[in-house]
Amino acid sequence: KAGVTQTPRYLIKTRGQQVTLSCSPISGHRSVSWYQQTPGQGLQFLFEYFSETQRNKGNFPGRFSGRQFSNSRSEMNVSTLELGDSALYLCASSLSASRSILGYTFGSGTRLTVV
Amino acid sequence: TQLLEQSPQFLSIQEGENLTVYCNSSSVFSSLQWYRQEPGEGPVLLVTVVTGGEVKKLKRLTFQFGDARKDSSLHITAAQPGDTGLYLCAGALQGGSEKLVFGKGTKLTVNP
Repeated sequence: KAGVTQTPRYLIKTRGQQVTLSCSPISGHRSVSWYQQTPGQGLQFLFEYFSETQRNKGNFPGRFSGRQFSNSRSEMNVSTLELGDSALYLCASSLSASRSILGYTFGSGTRLTVV
Repeated sequence: TQLLEQSPQFLSIQEGENLTVYCNSSSVFSSLQWYRQEPGEGPVLLVTVVTGGEVKKLKRLTFQFGDARKDSSLHITAAQPGDTGLYLCAGALQGGSEKLVFGKGTKLTVNP
């Protein structure tokens, strides 16, 4: 079966702009989580969506937002980009109730560079 | 404060050597997972351990969950260049919301 698809793979934006990243989970997975990965902080949890509802949220400013559609595809948006937002953004899909056992399936990520 | 501390942060060894990496916490986890991430890719799940004291083997990789479910280790026997990557541990907090917390990882390089 198809894996988790993230688009685009690479993105370069300037400070102050906004960006939208997309994630298509594995078919049948209704939970989509987003993580920011940087060398200094590792993987930091952004938020989780399940059945179009945000279920968990990490400690990121309101500039970071997301949504999930009825087909489980998810988008995340970052407004007013800052240099510190440069990171690898990872999407992870899961069968929500069994995440602690079956784990996540991650996409390849979107590498965002803010200049 | 990092909930899961991984050590060492970096490890560079020669092909054929053995190694152990550690994942420690003061919190109790209902389960703990290990992932491997290669450059330019997302992490890939290697194993999940659930029971305190549990040991799982995956070919040359041995995973152990501490008796108190606060720590875990990954041992690789006769490392190969294909083992190179970032090894991440992730825990599901006991009584938590199913959110997985990740360590910062151990970056392993196996030289031929």
